[in-house]
Amino acid sequence: AQSVTQPDIHITVSEGASLELRCNYSYGATPYLFWYVQSPGQGLQLLLKYFSGDTLVQGIKGFEAEFKRSQSSFNLRKPSVHWSDAAEYFCAVGQPTGTASKLTFGTGTRLQVTL
Amino acid sequence: GAVVSQHPSRVICKSGTSVKIECRSLDFQATTMFWYRQFPKQSLMLMATSNEGSKATYEQGVEKDKFLINHASLTLSTLTVTSAHPEDSSFYICSASPGQGADYEQYFGPGTRLTVT
Repeated sequence: AQSVTQPDIHITVSEGASLELRCNYSYGATPYLFWYVQSPGQGLQLLLKYFSGDTLVQGIKGFEAEFKRSQSSFNLRKPSVHWSDAAEYFCAVGQPTGTASKLTFGTGTRLQVTL
Repeated sequence: GAVVSQHPSRVICKSGTSVKIECRSLDFQATTMFWYRQFPKQSLMLMATSNEGSKATYEQGVEKDKFLINHASLTLSTLTVTSAHPEDSSFYICSASPGQGADYEQYFGPGTRLTVT
């Protein structure tokens, strides 16, 4: 069965500092990988996704993630964090089947940004 | 971008009663809709997948008679929690996808906070 591990429950960074959120997955084949952000009162928003091809994926809001098959990782990065980035971040793996994709989520990382 | 709404955003009900949560795709037709449950400080757990006009497919361990899902149209799915108990209190989130297949993005609703007293 597929699984996702986000080892950091809570991270605090200063505004302007760089950010890396860790994500490790377990899946038998090449997975579909996603990063979502959840802000209070709002639905999860897709930041970026990896299906195939270039292992460095660019997303919205200045985020990027790198798929490393050898490490089973898909870490999210941002070079300079803004206060508005404070939110809960979820990594997810999807089954690339012919039917609707079923997502398995990690437990999330809460990002706090200090001014 | 695609918008998914949920109604109500918060609901409090008495133990033993039933409550219905609506999930609507506002600007696209959702072939597939998903229902998730999120516990405090925990991840989203997929409860069921529903395709328009078909019976929902429930994940292992989810009681289909307790969590009734209806996907009667391409823009509306409902989740009814029947005979609710305090342990059903949770944050319920729906998502909608314009197509089948992993390459179709899921668009998430803002969630519904259910409290059973």
